[in-house]
Amino acid sequence: EVHLVESGGGLVQPGGSLRLSCADSGFSFINYWMSWVRQAPGKGLEWVASIQQDGSEKYYVDSVKGRFTISRDNAKNSLYLQMDSLRADDTAIYYCARARLGRFGDLFFDNWGQGTLVTVSS
Amino acid sequence: SYVLTQPPSVSVAPGQTARITCGGNNIGTKGVHWYQQKPGQAPVLVVYDDSDRPSGIPDRFSGSNSGNTATLTLTRVEAGDEADFYCQVWDTSDHWVFGGGTKLTVL
Repeated sequence: EVHLVESGGGLVQPGGSLRLSCADSGFSFINYWMSWVRQAPGKGLEWVASIQQDGSEKYYVDSVKGRFTISRDNAKNSLYLQMDSLRADDTAIYYCARARLGRFGDLFFDNWGQGTLVTVSS
Repeated sequence: SYVLTQPPSVSVAPGQTARITCGGNNIGTKGVHWYQQKPGQAPVLVVYDDSDRPSGIPDRFSGSNSGNTATLTLTRVEAGDEADFYCQVWDTSDHWVFGGGTKLTVL
């Protein structure tokens, strides 16, 4: 059974930094794209960033480009999100999600962690 | 940018059928995936590739996709089905796109 566990969330001041981690178990981590998806309080889901299996391709939503960095350590079965220059509108629950290839050649999220809350406030 | 439009809310009586739509320009040419999120919980994939169900998802959940509208259909609705539902596609420019979400209320 796939089990994703996020950590690293907390309260941070505007302009500050935070590093989120996601540890996997129960599947062959190296075989999958991995992603971060966030949800602001009372709002919908927003894709944040994704990384290819070997880390060679990375994609970001425009609002975090230049501020967030996604990375992975396949030897440790772990996914990371380095968040710098944080703003109040980055406040959200951040979910780690495994991405699976669909028959149309796209990717969707077939397993999710329970999320970690990031609050950006002074 | 590619936009997915969902109704904010859908209400249905127990035992009836709920239909949740997801509109997008030529969405019928894309693969559509649906997630259910119950209060305080992480999202769960309920339909992928327009109409396939992951293991463990009851066959009361089904999906279709054509033209400019994809639809998630939930038959024999139960009180425990109350949740927010999100559609999602992959777009070449915006990458992963979610709809705004639909709150399903069981009357």
